[in-house]
Amino acid sequence: DQQVKQNSPSLSVQEGRISILNCDYTNSMFDYFLWYKKYPAEGPTFLISISSIKDKNEDGRFTVFLNKSAKHLSLHIVPSQPGDSAVYFCAASADNAGNMLTFGGGTRLMVKP
Amino acid sequence: KAGVTQTPRYLIKTRGQQVTLSCSPISGHRSVSWYQQTPGQGLQFLFEYFSETQRNKGNFPGRFSGRQFSNSRSEMNVSTLELGDSALYLCASSILAGGPDLITGELFFGEGSRLTVL
Repeated sequence: DQQVKQNSPSLSVQEGRISILNCDYTNSMFDYFLWYKKYPAEGPTFLISISSIKDKNEDGRFTVFLNKSAKHLSLHIVPSQPGDSAVYFCAASADNAGNMLTFGGGTRLMVKP
Repeated sequence: KAGVTQTPRYLIKTRGQQVTLSCSPISGHRSVSWYQQTPGQGLQFLFEYFSETQRNKGNFPGRFSGRQFSNSRSEMNVSTLELGDSALYLCASSILAGGPDLITGELFFGEGSRLTVL
């Protein structure tokens, strides 16, 4: 039973355009949501996060939106750059779960020059 | 500042053997988590240690075990290896205890140990 789902295994966008990566979750106990980026042969690196008390968090070109009622979050990258090409993982955690993260299956983003 | 170091980076084992993987967290980090990454299942949580105590355990069989030493270094062991254990095993460390701190105290991942079981 996948509690965090990324339904799009891949996404291709043109450089300069917006990339929108989506994530759905089922566990209402999740309070914190994070996005990680992973390049081949490297470990995931933290990108941006959001608490369930917020509906938006912005950091430079990256914005995460959270819709608690729909149990849905999305990551917007504007403008997209070729260096953003990587696998993006959505992750969630509950307040009482320490550093335990539940990850989605990942979305491979390809930004074409 | 050195990152999370995992050894070995690559290893090949045969079914039935056992394997031990090592993780050295970032200096000062007391939390170490382990994740298994496979093409079909994505990243799945194995267990987390904080100050030498296992705080959380994922849904893996008892063949998967781990421990943390007083210097925060951690090892995980897989006994009686099966073909399905072939995966990238990732270690992550954090200076913080997690929960609300996750928002600012994100996990730092190592490059992983790629295990192939033949």
